[in-house]
Amino acid sequence: DAGITQSPRHKVTETGTPVTLRCHQTENHRYMYWYRQDPGHGLRLIHYSYGVKDTDKGEVSDGYSVSRSKTEDFLLTLESATSSQTSVYFCAISDPQGPSGYTFGSGTRLTVV
Amino acid sequence: TQLLEQSPQFLSIQEGENLTVYCNSSSVFSSLQWYRQEPGEGPVLLVTVVTGGEVKKLKRLTFQFGDARKDSSLHITAAQPGDTGLYLCAGVKGTASKLTFGTGTRLQVTL
Repeated sequence: DAGITQSPRHKVTETGTPVTLRCHQTENHRYMYWYRQDPGHGLRLIHYSYGVKDTDKGEVSDGYSVSRSKTEDFLLTLESATSSQTSVYFCAISDPQGPSGYTFGSGTRLTVV
Repeated sequence: TQLLEQSPQFLSIQEGENLTVYCNSSSVFSSLQWYRQEPGEGPVLLVTVVTGGEVKKLKRLTFQFGDARKDSSLHITAAQPGDTGLYLCAGVKGTASKLTFGTGTRLQVTL
């Protein structure tokens, strides 16, 4: 009964193709985040959302877009995938009014060939 | 630019040994969090420290927030194989509760 799920868990795609990763939460948390994790760089924020239709860029947003049409879903789209976007992508949620800290999904391993 | 530097990057120790992981920054954070991540999973929150000088204990883990709220440490007493994982510190600055993560410390505890 995980409060946050990511899909797919693994994906291999070709350079130049569009890719969409989905994050779904059942916690009704206001904030949602997309991070990528790469060796030597740790976790870096791509985009985040502070409510339905309210999103903003993180530190590595180039080449990515997001959408949040419902509280429970936060989509990350790579418009035209490149090899540099091969990474593990994590979604996280947080509730500023509740206990601090993020709850993370289990990640999506994306390989762009 | 990495705002949070962790050291050491890798640590391999035997069961029963003590260890300390450091998280340093030139920036001030309103709070700092520590996470542990296991292979194939997302990070899991261990603790949040808010007040400069604060010390929190979680069983054999002791977390300290620096007086100036720029650094933190994690001390593990009598490490066990179950402590193996990637330890991440993360600082909170500004709005939207955005976290900035450190580079991580990979800990291996062997029997």
